[in-house]
Amino acid sequence: ETGVTQTPRHLVMGMTNKKSLKCEQHLGHNAMYWYKQSAKKPLELMFVYSLEERVENNSVPSRFSPECPNSSHLFLHLHTLQPEDSALYLCASRISSNWDNSPLHFGNGTRLTVT
Amino acid sequence: ILNVEQSPQSLHVQEGDSTNFTCSFPSSNFYALHWYRWETAKSPEALFVMTLNGDEKKKGRISATLNTKEGYSYLYIKGSQPEDSATYLCAFSAGSARQLTFGSGTQLTVLP
Repeated sequence: ETGVTQTPRHLVMGMTNKKSLKCEQHLGHNAMYWYKQSAKKPLELMFVYSLEERVENNSVPSRFSPECPNSSHLFLHLHTLQPEDSALYLCASRISSNWDNSPLHFGNGTRLTVT
Repeated sequence: ILNVEQSPQSLHVQEGDSTNFTCSFPSSNFYALHWYRWETAKSPEALFVMTLNGDEKKKGRISATLNTKEGYSYLYIKGSQPEDSATYLCAFSAGSARQLTFGSGTQLTVLP
């Protein structure tokens, strides 16, 4: 059983829809991440929240909007997506007080299809 | 943009064989190197986090080494088993510990 839970597991949405991906961690971590996995590409960092500070990849389009209301919950709000946004979206968490030895703990991901 | 290269892209070995993969990364401003195993239909699972040049870590039949001066890490699997079949990912951070950049992975298939 993973300590990082993502919902939904699968999502199909049209380009005009608005939807949100949810991530929840029960590990007491205080840094949370969104990664995107497109076919045959490496995991791409989208956003990091650490101690209420957000770091983002400048190449992520504004149609992706993250929200981190507290250290246990992370959302990714989606609106007017494009078919090329279809991918596996992975959430991860880690302990920010011990970066040196702190690995990422991943959820099972949300498989997103944009039609 | 940080480039993390992994080789080979894919690998088939027979059960019982030992094997190794390479992760190459920029040697300047190094902070940490991570290895993960990602089995099909599961989430990536951390194997090792290494920070010091010359680090060697071991977990059962899997071990890893780190050379930060020349910018590479090796992952070794001794006596491969079918359950070792997975994609092995390395991830690198430089400067900012928060941001981890992943390689494309090495897909290992162990044939019984």
